Amino acid sequence: GEDVEQSLFLSVREGDSSVINCTYTDSSSTYLYWYKQEPGAGLQLLTYIFSNMDMKQDQRLTVLLNKKDKHLSLRIADTQTGDSAIYFCAESLSGYSTLTFGKGTMLLVSP
Amino acid sequence: EAGVVQSPRYKIIEKKQPVAFWCNPISGHNTLYWYLQNLGQGPELLIRYENEEAVDDSQLPKDRFSAERLKGVDSTLKIQPAELGDSAVYLCASSPGGGGGPTGELFFGEGSRLTVL
Repeated sequence: GEDVEQSLFLSVREGDSSVINCTYTDSSSTYLYWYKQEPGAGLQLLTYIFSNMDMKQDQRLTVLLNKKDKHLSLRIADTQTGDSAIYFCAESLSGYSTLTFGKGTMLLVSP
Repeated sequence: EAGVVQSPRYKIIEKKQPVAFWCNPISGHNTLYWYLQNLGQGPELLIRYENEEAVDDSQLPKDRFSAERLKGVDSTLKIQPAELGDSAVYLCASSPGGGGGPTGELFFGEGSRLTVL
């Protein structure tokens, strides 16, 4: 079955880069996502990557996908205090399948 | 455009009492989800609707949980009777159709936080 694992906590200083890692088990996953959850709010899609891609860049965000190791990472450049939130990795077998979420990584950015 | 609306935002009840949560998805979104989020955990699917049809309710504890989406628009999730372990956030999400479509984007409400005493 599908399973998504993430490290639980990451602390960085403002201006540094943050790297949040995720591993997944289902090699059939074709879509991988990063969602952000701020306190007291629902989840919001940050970015996504298709399994036929190795990398995707979107402004300060860079997603790297290693299909062989089933490893996904999210790099946030020039991390700001407003980036403090919980980041969830998610996978689906197709863009029309139900998403399976990881437990989330809490990112704390200190001034 | 209004986002996914959920109510109530917070609910405190005693165990064995019933509770109901309401969700109004984004207009035109055919797919609606109810997710359970325990403290420190990611969302876990309870039920997924395509229009008024529940297409995946395999993780819904049917002895005490029920859900409906009668006209294929808004939805209600009910727990009766509530147990201490039901304390969690209940998230509703919607998407235009079938999963999140090509981008997998689900639009989440702010959630309903339930505390069972």
